[in-house]
Amino acid sequence: DADVTQTPRNRITKTGKRIMLECSQTKGHDRMYWYRQDPGLGLRLIYYSFDVKDINKGEISDGYSVSRQAQAKFSLSLESAIPNQTALYFCATSGALYNQPQHFGDGTRLSIL
Amino acid sequence: DQQVKQNSPSLSVQEGRISILNCDYTNSMFDYFLWYKKYPAEGPTFLISISSIKDKNEDGRFTVFLNKSAKHLSLHIVPSQPGDSAVYFCAAVTFNAGNNRKLIWGLGTSLAVNP
Repeated sequence: DADVTQTPRNRITKTGKRIMLECSQTKGHDRMYWYRQDPGLGLRLIYYSFDVKDINKGEISDGYSVSRQAQAKFSLSLESAIPNQTALYFCATSGALYNQPQHFGDGTRLSIL
Repeated sequence: DQQVKQNSPSLSVQEGRISILNCDYTNSMFDYFLWYKKYPAEGPTFLISISSIKDKNEDGRFTVFLNKSAKHLSLHIVPSQPGDSAVYFCAAVTFNAGNNRKLIWGLGTSLAVNP
């Protein structure tokens, strides 16, 4: 079983719809992250959480919100989706030490028409 | 402005030969570097890392070299195998405004190892 699970894996929706992407992990990590990947732009950090009560904006948080429901669950919401939010979204987890690598889910491919 | 640069979008190598993937960075305050590998339809997976107090770290067929004066690191894969065909990302650890560490990512290099 995957340590970091993202659902759904693929989603096509229309402009203006509310969408939630979910992430759950069995690694026992306190830190969780949401990234998006666009062609030619690499991985960009949307939001991150160092524990259940700690939520922080990343470099591109506008248009997104998150909820850390438990240590193991971190969801990303698009309140009113727009086409330029079409991208590949990744959830990741890590331990607290700076030299501990991040562990990624397999991604959600989101298309907004 | 890219603080971590992977200037070669793609690289093609024959099986059994050495693959060398390069990464340059601009911020001398970066003190820890990681390489990730990504296959299609999967998330990135951690491959190898290096601290700025070292100039080399080796793990099996994978070796990372760090040249701090040149702000350059490279990943060597010897010998290359067809299963190494993937996109390789370089990332650097830095502090953000809240004094928390975060990763700065390069754009990736797509490696193709031909049989």
